[in-house]
Amino acid sequence: RKEVEQDPGPFNVPEGATVAFNCTYSNSASQSFFWYRQDCRKEPKLLMSVYSSGNEDGRFTAQLNRASQYISLLIRDSKLSDSATYLCVVISGSNYQLIWGAGTKLIIKP
Amino acid sequence: EPEVTQTPSHQVTQMGQEVILRCVPISNHLYFYWYRQILGQKVEFLVSFYNNEISEKSEIFDDQFSVERPDGSNFTLKIRSTKLEDSAMYFCASQSGSYNEQFFGPGTRLTVL
Repeated sequence: RKEVEQDPGPFNVPEGATVAFNCTYSNSASQSFFWYRQDCRKEPKLLMSVYSSGNEDGRFTAQLNRASQYISLLIRDSKLSDSATYLCVVISGSNYQLIWGAGTKLIIKP
Repeated sequence: EPEVTQTPSHQVTQMGQEVILRCVPISNHLYFYWYRQILGQKVEFLVSFYNNEISEKSEIFDDQFSVERPDGSNFTLKIRSTKLEDSAMYFCASQSGSYNEQFFGPGTRLTVL
């Protein structure tokens, strides 16, 4: 099993819809979790950190489920500009190793 | 807002030549990273650097690669003898603490001919 797994997609979603995707991780002792977005030929940019209590930033909500070892990202009222690849990052281990998922591609259609 | 910068934005080189990619991390950050991304593929970890030494490196980071932080601000990646398959986008990232988020530079596109 890969350490961090994401559905590669693409998720094709109409504008205005709600979309959610998950990222599973294998190390139960993982400490920190993040969602990044990456536009084509650009650097990954931090979207949000994922806290144990969950967090929300505008249309974006991130949740952590430690029991089932996954994090989720929910996007409400999706915009065309939300089209991107969404990457999850998990920090694990005594050496604080960052493990990157391969990303989920999201395409918002008019 | 502080940001990571990288130069050059695009480097074209002949196979077998040496290249140096430069990064200026965010000034109070302590952890530094190089990643590469071949077009259409996922981001791949190359190396992490802390306290003036490599803390971890991937299988990709072989003897052809080296990193330095020569002056306390720049963080460089050197590829000694470039191969065609080294063509990729190279991203530098920095991190303030071991549990914290990483911030990425805009990348250097390396093209090996």
